[in-house]
Amino acid sequence: ETGVTQSPTHLIKTRGQQVTLRCSSQSGHNTVSWYQQALGQGPQFIFQYYREEENGRGNFPPRFSGLQFPNYSSELNVNALELDDSALYLCASSPSLGSEQYFGPGTRLTVT
Amino acid sequence: AQSVTQPDIHITVSEGASLELRCNYSYGATPYLFWYVQSPGQGLQLLLKYFSGDTLVQGIKGFEAEFKRSQSSFNLRKPSVHWSDAAEYFCAVDDTGTASKLTFGTGTRLQVTL
Repeated sequence: ETGVTQSPTHLIKTRGQQVTLRCSSQSGHNTVSWYQQALGQGPQFIFQYYREEENGRGNFPPRFSGLQFPNYSSELNVNALELDDSALYLCASSPSLGSEQYFGPGTRLTVT
Repeated sequence: AQSVTQPDIHITVSEGASLELRCNYSYGATPYLFWYVQSPGQGLQLLLKYFSGDTLVQGIKGFEAEFKRSQSSFNLRKPSVHWSDAAEYFCAVDDTGTASKLTFGTGTRLQVTL
């Protein structure tokens, strides 16, 4: 069984640019959540998708947006990048609401 | 808003010694509780979880945790630490019932000396 995968592994962007991060959920999982982990901090919840619909959002501005596709893969889009967006972005999938999550290895985003 | 406190930023223990990592949360009801471990450059791995029932839960790698409602705590323990346990440990809480909108603590970095 394939676990949660994320791409790319590392990314460097310039302030003001836009970025798309991708996540492939574990097989059979219909729920995906995205987290931002700044250096030296715990992960912070960005939003969750359940069966292609947003199902909750953390304290992040609208320039953070997402999609979940019919195959339950997912994207995180960030517009107008700021220096403070530099972080490890983690994707986590779960087989259903109420089940524990399985995390991917993350994408390290650096904004210069 | 709920919060999670891990008061120990960094802990050093000798291999073979016992370990206890502290976690306190602020929330009125009993949330779902989790412990995750993160090795350098890696994602998060679930060690154990508490949803309800027996307040002493067993996890992987010989870890256990005890939920104490009166203290709003969920401390992680291991009777004998191995050098491979060196990592960052995160306590997390979910109060939405989805088990997937987690609030994390700031983590405790565990160093193991030989």
